[in-house]
Amino acid sequence: AQTVTQSQPEMSVQEAETVTLSCTYDTSESDYYLFWYKQPPSRQMILVIRQEAYKQQNATENRFSVNFQKAAKSFSLKISDSQLGDAAMYFCAYRSAAGTASKLTFGTGTRLQVTL
Amino acid sequence: NAGVMQNPRHLVRRRGQEARLRCSPMKGHSHVYWYRQLPEEGLKFMVYLQKENIIDESGMPKERFSAEFPKEGPSILRIQQVVRGDSAAYFCASSPWSSYNSPLHFGNGTRLTVT
Repeated sequence: AQTVTQSQPEMSVQEAETVTLSCTYDTSESDYYLFWYKQPPSRQMILVIRQEAYKQQNATENRFSVNFQKAAKSFSLKISDSQLGDAAMYFCAYRSAAGTASKLTFGTGTRLQVTL
Repeated sequence: NAGVMQNPRHLVRRRGQEARLRCSPMKGHSHVYWYRQLPEEGLKFMVYLQKENIIDESGMPKERFSAEFPKEGPSILRIQQVVRGDSAAYFCASSPWSSYNSPLHFGNGTRLTVT
């Protein structure tokens, strides 16, 4: 079974600075998707960014980018020019390409605080 | 296009009562996933359903929990004889197809509190 590990329970960043959230995963599969979700206090799960394993190029969405290291099974999220609205729980997630029951497996999350 | 709708937003039940959580997927979506989030934890997969079929229930507790997604109407997650440990946020997500590259859209969750 796949596992996703987020080793940073909490992180803090000053407004306008850059922060990197870590995620590692364990799988024997070669094809899969990786995701970062944001969960603000409203509880809504918001997709931040996703990466297909077969793509070598790191995904980028505006101020959000990932560092995908397939061999190391690492998938970190970089948030540039941090804003107060970025404060939330961030979850890393894995989705297998095998079979049809393509559920998401989540890490335990990193709580990001943004300070003035 | 309305998103995934979950109701109720909050649900309070006494121990031993039944809880019924509803999820209306996005229009055109026929695949539904249920997840549970305990306080300060990530989301844990419970069950994956297509219309009228349970595809993967590997995350469902063996007793008291059941799920359905009928041909018409919302998907229902049912918890019988609730206990305090069932207190959690329950999320539903839907997708238009089953493959791993289909986008998952989440609802805002139902927070169940068992007193």
